[in-house]
Amino acid sequence: GESVGLHLPTLSVQEGDNSIINCAYSNSASDYFIWYKQESGKGPQFIIDIRSNMDKRQGQRVTVLLNKTVKHLSLQIAATQPGDSAVYFCAETFHGANNLFFGTGTRLTVIP
Amino acid sequence: DTAVSQTPKYLVTQMGNDKSIKCEQNLGHDTMYWYKQDSKKFLKIMFSYNNKELIINETVPNRFSPKSPDKAHLNLHINSLELGDSAVYFCASSPKARTAPDGYTFGSGTRLTVV
Repeated sequence: GESVGLHLPTLSVQEGDNSIINCAYSNSASDYFIWYKQESGKGPQFIIDIRSNMDKRQGQRVTVLLNKTVKHLSLQIAATQPGDSAVYFCAETFHGANNLFFGTGTRLTVIP
Repeated sequence: DTAVSQTPKYLVTQMGNDKSIKCEQNLGHDTMYWYKQDSKKFLKIMFSYNNKELIINETVPNRFSPKSPDKAHLNLHINSLELGDSAVYFCASSPKARTAPDGYTFGSGTRLTVV
């Protein structure tokens, strides 16, 4: 399953399928991008990050892809599990900034 | 031990009241933040303190006043509460002001409902 960033904030996938969550950013000065997971009743938790000198980074079951040409970031979750159900946020920052700038979240629902 | 703890977790209050939300971190971090999350889940920075000094003060009504008595605590006082203040408020901390984002730790949020 795949979301289309700001215009489709909900994504439902079958357990075991791969998920792709998209994010568009607008600040061309941003050089550091992060994905956060927010479960119900909890604060955002760091998942994975990527710097602007990279276009791909892999973690455990997650991959982040960065396309600076079109200012697009995606999070791929392999073999999605029920525990992956949450709201996912991309965030960006740049050298000299004192905080993170969050994008609109995408709610991922995993269907057992 | 909770790294970033906020109190209360839920707060229901009437319009016009004054209320405070408290945040404490036991991570030894220098920098603390308040974020507001609206009903559409959008997260926006409100304030940031670095070692008790205000370093970020976004466009927030002056009814909101942060206070940092020491670097482990950052409280948020809100005067004359309005319906539009209803949101979830998150406290976060990081080792230093320009820490890599994987160093941010968020609290579990305070859900404020103004009726």
